Amino acid sequence: TQLLEQSPQFLSIQEGENLTVYCNSSSVFSSLQWYRQEPGEGPVLLVTVVTGGEVKKLKRLTFQFGDARKDSSLHITAAQPGDTGLYLCAGDSLDDYKLSFGAGTTVTVRA
Amino acid sequence: NAGVTQTPKFRILKIGQSMTLQCTQDMNHNYMYWYRQDPGMGLKLIYYSVGAGITDKGEVPNGYNVSRSTTEDFPLRLELAAPSQTSVYFCASSPGREPPPHFGPGTRLTVT
Repeated sequence: TQLLEQSPQFLSIQEGENLTVYCNSSSVFSSLQWYRQEPGEGPVLLVTVVTGGEVKKLKRLTFQFGDARKDSSLHITAAQPGDTGLYLCAGDSLDDYKLSFGAGTTVTVRA
Repeated sequence: NAGVTQTPKFRILKIGQSMTLQCTQDMNHNYMYWYRQDPGMGLKLIYYSVGAGITDKGEVPNGYNVSRSTTEDFPLRLELAAPSQTSVYFCASSPGREPPPHFGPGTRLTVT
């Protein structure tokens, strides 16, 4: 099982501020996913990154995959209360099809 | 198109009782998964299946059993419930190895 470490564990910011969440591993992944989960619901896929160095943008969210495909970051610009949730990264290893999940970062955006 | 459906949504069990968590998907996905989520621990894979009649263990299979008699259904069985099985259980499915799995709404289980 590949270990994915997310930081910080908790993040509380004011509406309009920017934030970055990190996902790091010593393992190489064929792809990496970011999910967002709201209380009482299942995780919802935000994005998949597959190429080292890849940057994907989804409105105010920017996702980056490290050059070595071992780490990733999620940056939110001008955060809004609707961005509040648990952000999970998950890696798909090179030799099987089972996702390994990080423990998550709980983001709270205060109005 | 309901996606992934899980029942029940909540359940309280006494130690030693048994139960089955139901999972159904209507997307004709071949791959199905069961995860458990504990606070601060992320999601851990319990069992998975790549097609009807095929199941395999994930990271934390002890205390659980699964079956996959149809493409649509992937029930998770707890035979002798223990407090350590208190958790939120998520079923997920995907067409194949890609794209990443689509998750159901979860079942919150408490064992006392």
